[in-house]
Amino acid sequence: EAEVAQSPRYKITEKSQAVAFWCDPISGHATLYWYRQILGQGPELLVQFQDESVVDDSQLPKDRFSAERLKGVDSTLKIQPAELGDSAMYLCASSPLALGTDTQYFGPGTRLTVL
Amino acid sequence: LAKTTQPISMDSYEGQEVNITCSHNNIATNDYITWYQQFPSQGPRFIIQGYKTKVTNEVASLFIPADRKSSTLSLPRVSLSDTAVYYCLVGSSNTGKLIFGQGTTLQVKP
Repeated sequence: EAEVAQSPRYKITEKSQAVAFWCDPISGHATLYWYRQILGQGPELLVQFQDESVVDDSQLPKDRFSAERLKGVDSTLKIQPAELGDSAMYLCASSPLALGTDTQYFGPGTRLTVL
Repeated sequence: LAKTTQPISMDSYEGQEVNITCSHNNIATNDYITWYQQFPSQGPRFIIQGYKTKVTNEVASLFIPADRKSSTLSLPRVSLSDTAVYYCLVGSSNTGKLIFGQGTTLQVKP
């Protein structure tokens, strides 16, 4: 069964450093999502891509976060500079289309710890 | 998108049926109800989705009354491996956007 791949699985960094996370969605999935999940809470949508275009980034802290999906396939989420409050699980998900009836398939996530 | 309300936690025993109810009073006409399951240190996994009445698949059933202001996820004969967090979400049929709440932590005991 096809899966969403993410790397790295774990990342420890110091505050003010730059970090980047990578996501490879299921082949053929046009829609890609990045979520942030703080321990004990549900995932929070950061950004949604349809192919290479950003559809929704209203919850993305744009002063320090950036996301791209240049060729409409894999995607990178960057944080610069990292802050202590950014410690969380960063989840990537993909779906065939951006429809409410489409299942979102989640990757294993990247656990970020900012010291 | 409609906000959802569900119990923070539930306990059950192996072999029992578990029903988790979710409230979504402001659900819109085109919104769907979806449930996800999440184990620690893993991404959420789709369980079931419905629009109205009853939906059943190999792992769960979803009951949605006519007014669609609530829904109930039913897990038949739970096992220890069903211990997880269960999220009720209302998704827009137009955008695919999902809003996760805090979820319900289900603890299945032997």
